[in-house]
Amino acid sequence: NAGVTQTPKFQVLKTGQSMTLQCAQDMNHEYMSWYRQDPGMGLRLIHYSVGAGITDQGEVPNGYNVSRSTTEDFPLRLLSAAPSQTSVYFCASSYLDRGGYTFGSGTRLTVV
Amino acid sequence: AQSVTQLDSQVPVFEEAPVELRCNYSSSVSVYLFWYVQYPNQGLQLLLKYLSGSTLVKGINGFEAEFNKSQTSFHLRKPSVHISDTAEYFCAVSRKSSGSARQLTFGSGTQLTVLP
Repeated sequence: NAGVTQTPKFQVLKTGQSMTLQCAQDMNHEYMSWYRQDPGMGLRLIHYSVGAGITDQGEVPNGYNVSRSTTEDFPLRLLSAAPSQTSVYFCASSYLDRGGYTFGSGTRLTVV
Repeated sequence: AQSVTQLDSQVPVFEEAPVELRCNYSSSVSVYLFWYVQYPNQGLQLLLKYLSGSTLVKGINGFEAEFNKSQTSFHLRKPSVHISDTAEYFCAVSRKSSGSARQLTFGSGTQLTVLP
């Protein structure tokens, strides 16, 4: 079992560029989410999904888009990268009715 | 909405000494509680969780936590730490229901450093 797979692991973008962070899970989890981690701030929820075709905003959604066309995949799109989006991004998934997330290993994004 | 406060941002402790990492939460509804550990340059790994039942929860790597509803706390403890326990630890809560309430709210983290 691969668990939650995130690609790429590292990325450098120029201000204004767009890109997609990929997230895939093979555990048939209904719930998937994206967090960003910044020093001293813990993890903050960007967007989440409770199933294919259903997405919703978290705490810090501005500048990001998501879609969930399949149970397995939950890509995160940066529309026009800004230096404030420099962060480490984590994808996580879980069953809807059971506790505990499985996290990916993260994508370290730098916007210059 | 719920919030989580981890009272110590850094905790240095000598090897084989006991440690307690403190976590308090605020919520208007019943919650599930979690502790996660993050080793350098890795994702988060679940240490333990409280869903219901006994308020003393045992997790992996010899850690345990106690849910105290009256004090809204969920402190993490280990009786004897090892160098390999050096990592960042996150406390998190989610509302006690399914669907959109599955989202986790995290504390800001506690860096545990075990000294030789």
